[in-house]
Amino acid sequence: DTGVSQNPRHKITKRGQNVTFRCDPISEHNRLYWYRQTLGQGPEFLTYFQNEAQLEKSRLLSDRFSAERPKGSFSTLEIQRTEQGDSAMYLCASSRTAFQETQYFGPGTRLLVL
Amino acid sequence: AQTVTQSQPEMSVQEAETVTLSCTYDTSESDYYLFWYKQPPSRQMILVIRQEAYKQQNATENRFSVNFQKAAKSFSLKISDSQLGDAAMYFCAYRVTQGGSEKLVFGKGTKLTVNP
Repeated sequence: DTGVSQNPRHKITKRGQNVTFRCDPISEHNRLYWYRQTLGQGPEFLTYFQNEAQLEKSRLLSDRFSAERPKGSFSTLEIQRTEQGDSAMYLCASSRTAFQETQYFGPGTRLLVL
Repeated sequence: AQTVTQSQPEMSVQEAETVTLSCTYDTSESDYYLFWYKQPPSRQMILVIRQEAYKQQNATENRFSVNFQKAAKSFSLKISDSQLGDAAMYFCAYRVTQGGSEKLVFGKGTKLTVNP
């Protein structure tokens, strides 16, 4: 069990640029989740996948955000035309498929939009 | 909609002492899971303990235990024999199950300081 990994760990970008983050879940986990955490707040749910299917998206996930998990393994989260309000920690978590399985979190990608 | 409230933004405890972190939640569901996660500074979030709502017995994990009061919708975390390594943000979370959702709803967290 190597844990959930995320890359990059830090990203600084200028407003208007596109950014992409990657998440590699624990190998036997079919479910993958994305959360966003701003300073002083708890994580907020963005979206989740079961295998390659995106099953739920939050209203927080605006048109500028897109997430994929093409082969049911790693996932990418892309933010287009970044805004300063997108600055946050983006967390990925994974779990097995069984009902109410625990979600295990990665270290996160901290995004700063200048 | 489900909400989770942590009313203590910060708490402190002396090393070796006991501290209790509070959490309340709001839900109309009868079966659900509750979690406490720990997020050390600049490190990833890790699960501390979880509680199934259908179980009357409070969950325990070594020095960590919960006081689950289903009727009161309260889920507090007790840390016994506090250690310096317990210093972190602690988040209470509720697992939504309505409509097939799988998301966790988090509180705003409690920052725990452990004094030597």
